[in-house]
Amino acid sequence: AQTVTQSQPEMSVQEAETVTLSCTYDTSESDYYLFWYKQPPSRQMILVIRQEAYKQQNATENRFSVNFQKAAKSFSLKISDSQLGDAAMYFCAYRSAGGNAGGTSYGKLTFGQGTILTVHP
Amino acid sequence: ETGVTQTPRHLVMGMTNKKSLKCEQHLGHNAMYWYKQSAKKPLELMFVYNFKEQTENNSVPSRFSPECPNSSHLFLHLHTLQPEDSALYLCASLPAGAPPGELFFGEGSRLTVL
Repeated sequence: AQTVTQSQPEMSVQEAETVTLSCTYDTSESDYYLFWYKQPPSRQMILVIRQEAYKQQNATENRFSVNFQKAAKSFSLKISDSQLGDAAMYFCAYRSAGGNAGGTSYGKLTFGQGTILTVHP
Repeated sequence: ETGVTQTPRHLVMGMTNKKSLKCEQHLGHNAMYWYKQSAKKPLELMFVYNFKEQTENNSVPSRFSPECPNSSHLFLHLHTLQPEDSALYLCASLPAGAPPGELFFGEGSRLTVL
């Protein structure tokens, strides 16, 4: 079974600076997907960024980027120019490849324990 | 705002009570999920539904009973719970044809079992 580990229970950053959240995972599969989700206090969890394991290029979404190291099974999230609105709990998640396109298996994710990010003004 | 609504937002119940959590989405998504979020633990997948049919029960105790009367509504019926069942229960939905992991989550129902 796959496992996802986030070793940083809490992180903090000054507004406008850069922070990196760590995630490692364990799998015997060669093709899979990795995700970072953001859960603001008392608000809905939303998908921040997605990485497909067969793509060597690191995914980016505006101020959010990942450092995907497949051999090391590492998937870190870098937040640049941090903003107060970035304060949230961040979850790293894994999903095996395969399954029917758009089928229910696409929503079956294995999550890490989460990292609480505090942004200081 | 993801379009997935959960009620109630907070619930306190005794171990002998019977209560229900409700999830609603009018996004036309066919797949719906219950996840459990406990403090300092990873989110755990509980149940998966596809067009009202349960496709997965992730070894959840029978004191949790899901119901999906239609593709827009999902319930989690609770009875004779234990204090360790206290957690945030998250509902999520997935659009047909969406890329993997494109889940739409509700805000969750915070359950406290006394």
